[in-house]
Amino acid sequence: AQKITQTQPGMFVQEKEAVTLDCTYDTSDQSYGLFWYKQPSSGEMIFLIYQGSYDEQNATEGRYSLNFQKARKSANLVISASQLGDSAMYFCAMRGGGSYIPTFGRGTSLIVHP
Amino acid sequence: GAVVSQHPSRVICKSGTSVKIECRSLDFQATTMFWYRQFPKQSLMLMATSNEGSKATYEQGVEKDKFLINHASLTLSTLTVTSAHPEDSSFYICSARDARTGALAGYTFGSGTRLTVV
Repeated sequence: AQKITQTQPGMFVQEKEAVTLDCTYDTSDQSYGLFWYKQPSSGEMIFLIYQGSYDEQNATEGRYSLNFQKARKSANLVISASQLGDSAMYFCAMRGGGSYIPTFGRGTSLIVHP
Repeated sequence: GAVVSQHPSRVICKSGTSVKIECRSLDFQATTMFWYRQFPKQSLMLMATSNEGSKATYEQGVEKDKFLINHASLTLSTLTVTSAHPEDSSFYICSARDARTGALAGYTFGSGTRLTVV
């Protein structure tokens, strides 16, 4: 079974500062993928970044980077230079090699202060 | 990039009526679509997985006779909430997997439907 844990129900950050959103996972699969999605108040789920279990480099997409520590089974999202528009719910998800159905964490609410 | 169009975005219906929600993949073929339900400030709860041309696979606890899913083509999947009741009020969102992409690629979500049953 797969499990995603997001322990931070809410986070606050000052505009232009960096913030790290935590995500740990548990799986018995050797091959898996980790995702982060952003959900603004309007509801749509916006794909941010993906990390494959065999990727040696941490994934980066613009201001988003994924701090992948395989031995610790963590896949934290780092947002650099926070913007007011980054205020949203953030979900960590994973898909194991044995299934194409993703498992989602409970989410972290991020509020960016001016 | 891949786009999934979901309609309607909001719907209010009377108790006892049925509501149909559509999800269309606009620029790719979606062999598999997922339907989720989300309560306020909670995570996405997978309701069912639909594969084109076959019956949907429902998650445990989801009533298949109440939440009818049809995936008649590679670009269209529908969720019908039958005989809706106030407790069915929720945010419903679909997600599609592009058959062309790798097995561990991302999934594209629709914009969601906020259903209110009065």
